[in-house]
Amino acid sequence: SAVISQKPSRDICQRGTSLTIQCQVDSQVTMMFWYRQQPGQSLTLIATANQGSEATYESGFVIDKFPISRPNLTFSTLTVSNMSPEDSSIYLCSAGPSSDTQYFGPGTRLTVL
Amino acid sequence: GENVEQHPSTLSVQEGDSAVIKCTYSDSASNYFPWYKQELGKGPQLIIDIRSNVGEKKDQRIAVTLNKTAKHFSLHITETQPEDSAVYFCAATTGNQFYFGTGTSLTVIP
Repeated sequence: SAVISQKPSRDICQRGTSLTIQCQVDSQVTMMFWYRQQPGQSLTLIATANQGSEATYESGFVIDKFPISRPNLTFSTLTVSNMSPEDSSIYLCSAGPSSDTQYFGPGTRLTVL
Repeated sequence: GENVEQHPSTLSVQEGDSAVIKCTYSDSASNYFPWYKQELGKGPQLIIDIRSNVGEKKDQRIAVTLNKTAKHFSLHITETQPEDSAVYFCAATTGNQFYFGTGTSLTVIP
């Protein structure tokens, strides 16, 4: 299995600012994903982070709001831009050696005031 | 696209009893079905999974069964312990995207 770490673990941010979340995997992985989880809810896929190319976004999520980088096979970042209170959520990174195996990081708990 | 339904949304059991969580899926092409356990303040942890060519899989007190014909799969936890209390998510995938159930909050009462 892959061990995934995320930074920061939590943050409180002001409206209109941006936050970049880092995801580090302890081994090279093919697939990396970013999810959002509202309190008490299930997981919603934001995008697939592709190494060496643009991320693939799901319906309802756009690159301007959630820019993603994936410079190599072990690291990715998600930026939440121009934040509003509606962006308060848990953001989760997942990764795996193949598209049908995913391990999750501990999550970043974001509160926007 | 795939639609995964999960029941029940909450489940309380006495310590030592069994717990069963059920999921149904809609896409017959789905071929991998993982189960995740999420404890408060943590990320989901993969606890068991099953592929479409297998009907049942066990790992100590945890088992998963799959009925491809009926398109449903279930998580079985036997001899429940207080540390089993968590939210459990099922998922289904064809290998491209994971579709998650809505979660089951399991409480094991000592």
